[in-house]
Amino acid sequence: AQSVSQHNHHVILSEAASLELGCNYSYGGTVNLFWYVQYPGQHLQLLLKYFSGDPLVKGIKGFEAEFIKSKFSFNLRKPSVQWSDTAEYFCAVNAYSGAGSYQLTFGKGTKLSVIP
Amino acid sequence: KAGVTQTPRYLIKTRGQQVTLSCSPISGHRSVSWYQQTPGQGLQFLFEYFSETQRNKGNFPGRFSGRQFSNSRSEMNVSTLELGDSALYLCASSSPPGLRGNEQFFGPGTRLTVL
Repeated sequence: AQSVSQHNHHVILSEAASLELGCNYSYGGTVNLFWYVQYPGQHLQLLLKYFSGDPLVKGIKGFEAEFIKSKFSFNLRKPSVQWSDTAEYFCAVNAYSGAGSYQLTFGKGTKLSVIP
Repeated sequence: KAGVTQTPRYLIKTRGQQVTLSCSPISGHRSVSWYQQTPGQGLQFLFEYFSETQRNKGNFPGRFSGRQFSNSRSEMNVSTLELGDSALYLCASSSPPGLRGNEQFFGPGTRLTVL
């Protein structure tokens, strides 16, 4: 079974600081990788996704992530965070689980607090 | 397109009761998945339905069940509620997967509190 590990439980940054959130997954087969964001009081939204091709993927709001297959990693980055980026971020792996079904497995999440 | 909708948004129940949550997927989406989100365990997969059939199931007790109707709307039911069932229950829908899988779109969730 696949698993996802997010290294940081809570990250606190000042505005304009750079962000990198770590994500490692465990799965032997082909995976699709996602980062979701959950702003306070709002539902989960997709930030970016990797299915195939260029391992550096760009998402919404200036976020990007790099898939490094050899390290089973999919780290999220943003060069300069804003107060509005305060949210919880979830890394997820979508792996084939048989009978045409893909199961999405989430990491425990990283809470990002950005101080103005 | 309208997004995934879930009703009700908030529920308060007492131990031993049962509850039914509803999810309407994005129009044209036939796969509906359910997740439980708690502060301690994070987001955990409950089950997935496709064309009225349960296609995949997570590691939850039999008290958790679901179904899907011919219009792709889905319900999940929790019987004999326990305090630990207090959580945000999320529904996600997806279009038929391409060669490499698919993207899931999430609803706002139903916040269940068990007293």
